[in-house]
Amino acid sequence: VQLVESGGGLVKPGGSLRLSCAASGFTFSSYSMNWVRQAPGKGLEWVSSISSGSSYIYYADSVKGRFTISRDNGKNSLYLQMNSLRAEDTAVYYCARGIRYGRGVDYWGQGTLVTVSS
Amino acid sequence: SYELTQPPSVSVSPGQTARITCSADAVSKQYAYWYQQKPRQAPVLVIYKDSERPSGIPERISGSSSGTTVTLTISGVQAEDEADYYCQSADSSGTYWVFGGGTKLTVL
Repeated sequence: VQLVESGGGLVKPGGSLRLSCAASGFTFSSYSMNWVRQAPGKGLEWVSSISSGSSYIYYADSVKGRFTISRDNGKNSLYLQMNSLRAEDTAVYYCARGIRYGRGVDYWGQGTLVTVSS
Repeated sequence: SYELTQPPSVSVSPGQTARITCSADAVSKQYAYWYQQKPRQAPVLVIYKDSERPSGIPERISGSSSGTTVTLTISGVQAEDEADYYCQSADSSGTYWVFGGGTKLTVL
């Protein structure tokens, strides 16, 4: 199993960024996927989840209405569109595979850093 | 909102047993999961569904559950176990996931 995030970088407050996660080594279309973030020196925070067929999508209250999770099973890819970014969104964003028949994660990517600063 | 509370730090000497608790503020039907994170690395799953151990995780790492508290136990602690540990679960509907604040395990 390999999960490789990309798309992080420096963005100004109010700006937008799109993160991508390329998955390999497993049948991507059979698993739910998630984004989890970690602010510098802080703990883990769940951001969003999407079911295998995109029928079920959930967001943390802190990002609801600003972030959009999506996936392309044909391209084995997961995405996170982030709009109206704030300083408090600064974090390493991890792509993570959902455990089958559970509400946890079994594999994590290495993360991509998003910095929101003027 | 559903919250999980962990002690900020636990310290043990090599060879001793470390226990890290995770207390929920409400009853949830969902299982708990534990992750180990070493500095500058991504988290690693060490316990799933309260007490199941993924392949490759040593048997000295175990999990248990009682009421609204889950516990991660590391027996015969080694220097390599020094890390941050996070519990995670979801609200009863399974819709919203929550992480505990994390516990820094120090091996003296």
